[in-house]
Amino acid sequence: DGGITQSPKYLFRKEGQNVTLSCEQNLNHDAMYWYRQDPGQGLRLIYYSQIVNDFQKGDIAEGYSVSREKKESFPLTVTSAQKNPTAFYLCASSPSREGTGFSPLHFGNGTRLTVT
Amino acid sequence: GQQVMQIPQYQHVQEGEDFTTYCNSSTTLSNIQWYKQRPGGHPVFLIQLVKSGEVKKQKRLTFQFGEAKKNSSLHITATQTTDVGTYFCAGWEDYKLSFGAGTTVTVRA
Repeated sequence: DGGITQSPKYLFRKEGQNVTLSCEQNLNHDAMYWYRQDPGQGLRLIYYSQIVNDFQKGDIAEGYSVSREKKESFPLTVTSAQKNPTAFYLCASSPSREGTGFSPLHFGNGTRLTVT
Repeated sequence: GQQVMQIPQYQHVQEGEDFTTYCNSSTTLSNIQWYKQRPGGHPVFLIQLVKSGEVKKQKRLTFQFGEAKKNSSLHITATQTTDVGTYFCAGWEDYKLSFGAGTTVTVRA
């Protein structure tokens, strides 16, 4: 079955530590996205990538970093510079924009990060 | 940049009743997408509207895109407990999909 895998489902870290969230897709999608979800605030875009070895900042990129070395993988690192890292993180993918117009996003099951 | 706003934030509905949630954009949208997120789950794509004034139906759900392509609505008839969740609208701007804050629906049996 094709899909997006995020791991782990729950993650706990101490303040001051960097942590990397995994996102892998086998849908052969070109574009991948990271969103953060907080109660009452919907989904806010952190980073997105349209193609391998290229990515752009979203609306709330400060304190986060990403890499896109492979088409299938788009890991997100939450650095110690992120002031409020506790949140639900969602990874998504979609086909290339040029090829299919306005594509829906396919989401992973998410990682709930708690930093204390 | 594009801002997408949804109202109401919360909707408490008696089972069997109808309700509507609204989505408004600060700019003209090229398209609008709707997603549903069940409690504890992830957003799942429901539908996309592209044309001005477009209306689409999925069983008890009716989606509408405004004539000016700056607003959209989702109307649910005869609400069921399976309708519980948060409904998001979202619009594409360049290569980014911006989401509204969502309408969280609870149902009283």
